[in-house]
Amino acid sequence: DVKVTQSSRYLVKRTGEKVFLECVQDMDHENMFWYRQDPGLGLRLIYFSYDVKMKEKGDIPEGYSVSREKKERFSLILESASTNQTSMYLCASQSGRGALEETQYFGPGTRLLVL
Amino acid sequence: QKEVEQNSGPLSVPEGAIASLNCTYSDRGSQSFFWYRQYSGKSPELIMFIYSNGDKEDGRFTAQLNKASQYVSLLIRDSQPSDSATYLCAVNKGSGYSTLTFGKGTMLLVSP
Repeated sequence: DVKVTQSSRYLVKRTGEKVFLECVQDMDHENMFWYRQDPGLGLRLIYFSYDVKMKEKGDIPEGYSVSREKKERFSLILESASTNQTSMYLCASQSGRGALEETQYFGPGTRLLVL
Repeated sequence: QKEVEQNSGPLSVPEGAIASLNCTYSDRGSQSFFWYRQYSGKSPELIMFIYSNGDKEDGRFTAQLNKASQYVSLLIRDSQPSDSATYLCAVNKGSGYSTLTFGKGTMLLVSP
């Protein structure tokens, strides 16, 4: 079974703080993703990575950065947290072989509250 | 035009009935399609995928794909209260693409 873990289930931060969300997968997957999910807006892609040190912007990268120094770990960084970044953050992992049936496996999510 | 559209629901069905969840997509070049189930407060989990026209069955679940109509559906037979969740449709443009485009999901409520 694919296992994707996220560093925190719940996080409370103050406006202006630098926030790190970490994601680790144990299946040697090439691709990793960060989404945020908000009521009525669905899942929105923030960033993804298809290899170590490689990253691509998703639909809503503003206010976020990412780091992938090791294949199994993909970090999302909020440089200066703002209240509009209060959300559920979901990490996902995908093998990257390019097969049609290739799915994404999600971590448990981090619910972030910025005060 | 939204890329992947789903009725937000809620879709209410009695226990034992067939629940029919629908999804349309705008990119005619899309090649593979996924259904995820998401319980409240939890992360999405894959139910099944389909990439050929027609039906694909897995237990109580059947995915149906019609590429000409750009339509994919999920049927849940003998619905159970434990099936109550939000169902997300996701589309992959093709084998060269990593990203999935998600619909906003349909909430299903199965009443005992």
